[in-house]
Amino acid sequence: EAGVTQFPSHSVIEKGQTVTLRCDPISGHDNLYWYRRVMGKEIKFLLHFVKESKQDESGMPNNRFLAERTGGTYSTLKVQPAELEDSGVYFCASSLGVAIEQFFGPGTRLTVL
Amino acid sequence: EDQVTQSPEALRLQEGESSSLNCSYTVSGLRGLFWYRQDPGKGPEFLFTLYSAGEEKEKERLKATLTKKESFLHITAPKPEDSATYLCAVQSASGGYNKLIFGAGTRLAVHP
Repeated sequence: EAGVTQFPSHSVIEKGQTVTLRCDPISGHDNLYWYRRVMGKEIKFLLHFVKESKQDESGMPNNRFLAERTGGTYSTLKVQPAELEDSGVYFCASSLGVAIEQFFGPGTRLTVL
Repeated sequence: EDQVTQSPEALRLQEGESSSLNCSYTVSGLRGLFWYRQDPGKGPEFLFTLYSAGEEKEKERLKATLTKKESFLHITAPKPEDSATYLCAVQSASGGYNKLIFGAGTRLAVHP
């Protein structure tokens, strides 16, 4: 069974540019989550999809971040415009249900210069 | 506020030297406590889920236990390949209850 995949693995952009991160969850997993770790901090929740619906977006830092999951399969996270403080590692996770283990992807390392 | 604190921040062991990692939590009702292992440059890898005080789970040299305030990850006779960062996370029964709240992790180094 293929795990959670993320693309790209690393992105370097200038401040003010736009970046789109992609996550493909484990097949059949309706629950998809985005998390991020910024320098020196713990991993923090961003948002949770159930199929194509946003269940919880309480962790999204501001309106420069837009997450979508059209068709309830893969998800994208767009940062527009990117700021220096957006640098970090963005993780995607998926799960079959709630209150059970979430399986994480390898992450996308975002560097904003 | 829901919070997870892990100790120690870093731990150095000799191969075969058993030890324990601690995860203290404060949540408004615990739905589940999760242990993950993370290697450099990779995503967290799931190890265990614990749901209620008194519960224990084992996998090879690892054993996780849970009380009402904390969880321990016991490592018995560790090997160098057990070197990694171990993360503890909780799910709270109050608002946004599907999200994981992570601790900062314990960096474990096992030397031959």
